[in-house]
Amino acid sequence: DIQMTQSPSSLSASVGDRVTITCRASQGIRNDLGWYQQKPGKAPKRLIYAASSLQSGVPSRFSGSGSGTEFTLTISSLQAEDFATYYCLQHNRYPRAFGQGTKVEIK
Amino acid sequence: EVQLLESGGGLVQPGGSLRLSCAASGFTFSGHAMSWVRQVPGKGLEWVSTVSDSGTGTYYADSVMGRLTISRDNSKNTLYLQMNSLRAEDTAVYYCACTGFGEIDYWGQGTLVTVSS
Repeated sequence: DIQMTQSPSSLSASVGDRVTITCRASQGIRNDLGWYQQKPGKAPKRLIYAASSLQSGVPSRFSGSGSGTEFTLTISSLQAEDFATYYCLQHNRYPRAFGQGTKVEIK
Repeated sequence: EVQLLESGGGLVQPGGSLRLSCAASGFTFSGHAMSWVRQVPGKGLEWVSTVSDSGTGTYYADSVMGRLTISRDNSKNTLYLQMNSLRAEDTAVYYCACTGFGEIDYWGQGTLVTVSS
């Protein structure tokens, strides 16, 4: 099975900061990866699909990169509404696997 | 407007059964694989199961294999999760979702399953 290792598990940042979250796959998954944002009490919402494609309606401060085993989600300038938990999900093969999540908190 | 409406959650005793439903509208349900994802309150997301667009292909997490069964009725635009031999560790919010390849990303609001005596 493919394991997804996400880091960091949490981070504190200020509005305007650049934030980077990483996911590492235990095997190559091409670019079959999405990044999701989840706010308390809400369903997840995908920000990035195919590792680097921006979901329609998502602000351009979010970007994704990577292929194979190393992937990155970057928020170029953190906004108040971005404080949430972020997850990666590989859909290259079954069983699917989420990363453990990264909670982005206000410094 | 796309909607995924889960129902069927509730309190069940260990060893009991429950069937979740997810009614879809606003998109071509029969054209897409559908999944169940769960989340223990306060914890991370866990992929549970996926069924292919036709219903012939089904895939499961090891943690639920043999106890949970995913199915769909394309004539009713409805996804199901039959949950048998439930355990305390199955307690979670269960989301139905259409996500993965391509730009489509639809999620329900979730339904809470509590397994407790």
